[in-house]
Amino acid sequence: SQQGEEDPQALSIQEGENATMNCSYKTSINNLQWYRQNSGRGLVHLILIRSNEREKHSGRLRVTLDTSKKSSSLLITASRAADTASYFCATDALNSGYSTLTFGKGTMLLVSP
Amino acid sequence: DAGVIQSPRHEVTEMGQEVTLRCKPISGHNSLFWYRQTMMRGLELLIYFNNNVPIDDSGMPEDRFSAKMPNASFSTLKIQPSEPRDSAVYFCASSIRLAVAKGETQYFGPGTRLLVL
Repeated sequence: SQQGEEDPQALSIQEGENATMNCSYKTSINNLQWYRQNSGRGLVHLILIRSNEREKHSGRLRVTLDTSKKSSSLLITASRAADTASYFCATDALNSGYSTLTFGKGTMLLVSP
Repeated sequence: DAGVIQSPRHEVTEMGQEVTLRCKPISGHNSLFWYRQTMMRGLELLIYFNNNVPIDDSGMPEDRFSAKMPNASFSTLKIQPSEPRDSAVYFCASSIRLAVAKGETQYFGPGTRLLVL
């Protein structure tokens, strides 16, 4: 079953605008990760936020985490056409005594020039 | 670093045929994961290995699916016999350790796009 669910499913913006994607999850986590997938490619890790962190920055990326609401958001500022991709949140889920990643279905972001 | 390598990148086969997907993880990575991605179900974890040992294959959809990791640098995912509903993109990923709870990240290969006719 899906642990993380992204919202919206699709987002279309103009270059220069900010893009915000949200992720909700169901069970307690140790950390939450965001990945990007360009069309026809594998997923690439973007940023990780731990359960004791509320906000984290990496370049034009800003991630927030609200464990009380079991939600996270990914903000991409000053978007570029090259940011066009699908974005996935992934949470750790206990599985056979080990933690593995459970991915949401992703938000498809289209940035138009 | 070459990253995770998968082959073939595309595979078209007929129902009933055997399909073998291959993966070479990043050197030094001790954990390997096989995922399947479809529009309907998203990204599903099929099986994962730690130090070449299968840890959990509960995500494998049916007995038609099997996976092996004979050594630290090679893994296969086999479907026999294949069916049209197996059509999907199959990803292999690796990580240094099996420690997601401690923040371990995964590195994905480019995927194999499988079409079963």
